[in-house]
Amino acid sequence: QKEVEQNSGPLSVPEGAIASLNCTYSDRGSQSFFWYRQYSGKSPELIMFIYSNGDKEDGRFTAQLNKASQYVSLLIRDSQPSDSATYLCAVRDNYGQNFVFGPGTRLSVLP
Amino acid sequence: EAGVAQSPRYKIIEKRQSVAFWCNPISGHATLYWYQQILGQGPKLLIQFQNNGVVDDSQLPKDRFSAERLKGVDSTLKIQPAKLEDSAVYLCASSLGLAGGAQFFGPGTRLTVL
Repeated sequence: QKEVEQNSGPLSVPEGAIASLNCTYSDRGSQSFFWYRQYSGKSPELIMFIYSNGDKEDGRFTAQLNKASQYVSLLIRDSQPSDSATYLCAVRDNYGQNFVFGPGTRLSVLP
Repeated sequence: EAGVAQSPRYKIIEKRQSVAFWCNPISGHATLYWYQQILGQGPKLLIQFQNNGVVDDSQLPKDRFSAERLKGVDSTLKIQPAKLEDSAVYLCASSLGLAGGAQFFGPGTRLTVL
C-alpha cells in the first residue's frame, strides 16, 4: 500500500512568518508531487507541483523535493491569515497513475 | 474556461437506498477521477478513467459502487445500497491526460447516509 504521510497539525505560525509543511512518501516510483490547499467545506485547489529534485518557487510559495530521502516540503513566506487552511500533499507515478493524497496538515496563521 | 461541474451538491439518504452523482470535467480533459473524502482525511481515489476506459479502480468497493463514463466526457458514480460509512464528500477531478500535470477538482457532493 503506497503511503503519503503528513503531520496533521495544527501548525500555528504568526502572521508574516514562514510556514514549513512536510510530506514523506513510501513509493520510490513516485515522479510527480503536488501541493493542494483546501479551505474548510471547499474542494482542493492546486498550489503548485514539482517533478525535479531541488526547489521550485511561485510567488510566496516554494516547493522542495528530495527524492533520495523521499520527502517534499512546502514553504509559505510572509504567511497571511488567509493562508489558514489544510494543505494536502499528493504524489503520482510516471504513468499518471497511483495518485495518492496525504491526510493533510492544518495550518493556522495568527494575526 | 469552465471548471469541473458536479451535481447534486448535497444529498441525504437512508441506509440501503441508492444514490448517483454526476460529473462534467473541464473541456478537453481526457482523464477523470472520482475521490471519496471522509471528514478529516485526505481524498481517496475510487476510480480513474482515461477517456471512457478504466485505468484504476483498485480501491472502488465494487459490491456497492459503480461508475461509468460512456462517451468519454461526463461520468456517473453510483452507490447501491448505501451504508452509514459512505457518508463523505465525493469529489470529481479531471486532468489533460495521464501524465498531464495536475488535477482540477469540482465542488464535490456531500453525502449523508442516515
